[in-house]
Amino acid sequence: DQQVKQNSPSLSVQEGRISILNCDYTNSMFDYFLWYKKYPAEGPTFLISISSIKDKNEDGRFTVFLNKSAKHLSLHIVPSQPGDSAVYFCAASAKTSYDKVIFGPGTSLSVIP
Amino acid sequence: KAGVTQTPRYLIKTRGQQVTLSCSPISGHRSVSWYQQTPGQGLQFLFEYFSETQRNKGNFPGRFSGRQFSNSRSEMNVSTLELGDSALYLCASRPGQINSPLHFGNGTRLTVT
Repeated sequence: DQQVKQNSPSLSVQEGRISILNCDYTNSMFDYFLWYKKYPAEGPTFLISISSIKDKNEDGRFTVFLNKSAKHLSLHIVPSQPGDSAVYFCAASAKTSYDKVIFGPGTSLSVIP
Repeated sequence: KAGVTQTPRYLIKTRGQQVTLSCSPISGHRSVSWYQQTPGQGLQFLFEYFSETQRNKGNFPGRFSGRQFSNSRSEMNVSTLELGDSALYLCASRPGQINSPLHFGNGTRLTVT
């Protein structure tokens, strides 16, 4: 049973517009969430994270929102750039087993120039 | 600082054989995690090692095993290979503190024929 879900396998956005990537989780023990970006033939790279004690975290063009009651988080990229085209993975861990980070299936983002 | 190094990058094996993949973490990182990536499934957690001890394990059969050496380098072994084991195997390291992000290598692409 997939504990971290990304229901949109792909997303296309025009350059300069906002990209919104969504993620849902089922395990209420998760208390730390991360987003990773992956280019072809490379390993994933860490983008941004959020703790369950916050509902928003911002880093430049990237903002992650967390809605604990809905068990939902989203990554906003503003403005989107062609170099943002990649696969984005949502990931989560629980305080009781922080050594086990669970990833979603990923969303492929294409930013069209 | 050198990143996470995985060897080999590509591997072709025959069903029934066994394979060993290697991972050198970032210097100073004591935690090493292994993931399997297949299309549509995202990154599936295999196991995590810290100071030569397996701290956590995913839902994979016993054919998948790993170990970590005193210098934090890690190996994973898959015995009696099956066609379904064809995947990208990713290794990630981190210092070991709670919620520190994973740093991934570029992976080993295993093809089983």
